[in-house]
Amino acid sequence: GQQVMQIPQYQHVQEGEDFTTYCNSSTTLSNIQWYKQRPGGHPVFLIQLVKSGEVKKQKRLTFQFGEAKKNSSLHITATQTTDVGTYFCAGAPNDYKLSFGAGTTVTVRA
Amino acid sequence: NAGVTQTPKFQVLKTGQSMTLQCAQDMNHEYMSWYRQDPGMGLRLIHYSVGAGITDQGEVPNGYNVSRSTTEDFPLRLLSAAPSQTSVYFCASSTHRGNTIYFGEGSWLTVV
Repeated sequence: GQQVMQIPQYQHVQEGEDFTTYCNSSTTLSNIQWYKQRPGGHPVFLIQLVKSGEVKKQKRLTFQFGEAKKNSSLHITATQTTDVGTYFCAGAPNDYKLSFGAGTTVTVRA
Repeated sequence: NAGVTQTPKFQVLKTGQSMTLQCAQDMNHEYMSWYRQDPGMGLRLIHYSVGAGITDQGEVPNGYNVSRSTTEDFPLRLLSAAPSQTSVYFCASSTHRGNTIYFGEGSWLTVV
């Protein structure tokens, strides 16, 4: 079964608001990756975090890797309609078997 | 660069039929994999390969076969299609297992 849990499953956001999606693992991860899948599309790599406590930003997106390397978050500020889609986290434990979370599907109200 | 190319994009099968989903990558990646995506289930690993001639089972391998005769190609075979195999299938590649994954555009399969 899945080792990586992702919450919430669905996120309905008013345009302009902020939101956060969370990813939690039962085991320590060597790295965590985030992907975005637009409706009808395929997952596309966004970012990879490797270091404990690491924070990376991509414009309005902020990614964090927890100190214990068991959790991660994606925070989006000032949500836009272009942010619609499903965001997946994927964690690689020390054996490098990447495990995907179930994803957070984001819809935006204009 | 084409990246990861998979065909067909859409397919309807009858129960019991067999078929092959083709996948090719032109990035010289050692690691290739097949995932299926079902609503609420995320991406589940079917089979993977760490290099030519080497394949292994993922999380949901039953009903599927793979082979890796070349670095570029990694076809997925459905032996006897069942309605439970109705899904979206993604082929993917990366330089090594655990590294950034590049996905194909997906194959929508319906088994009736």
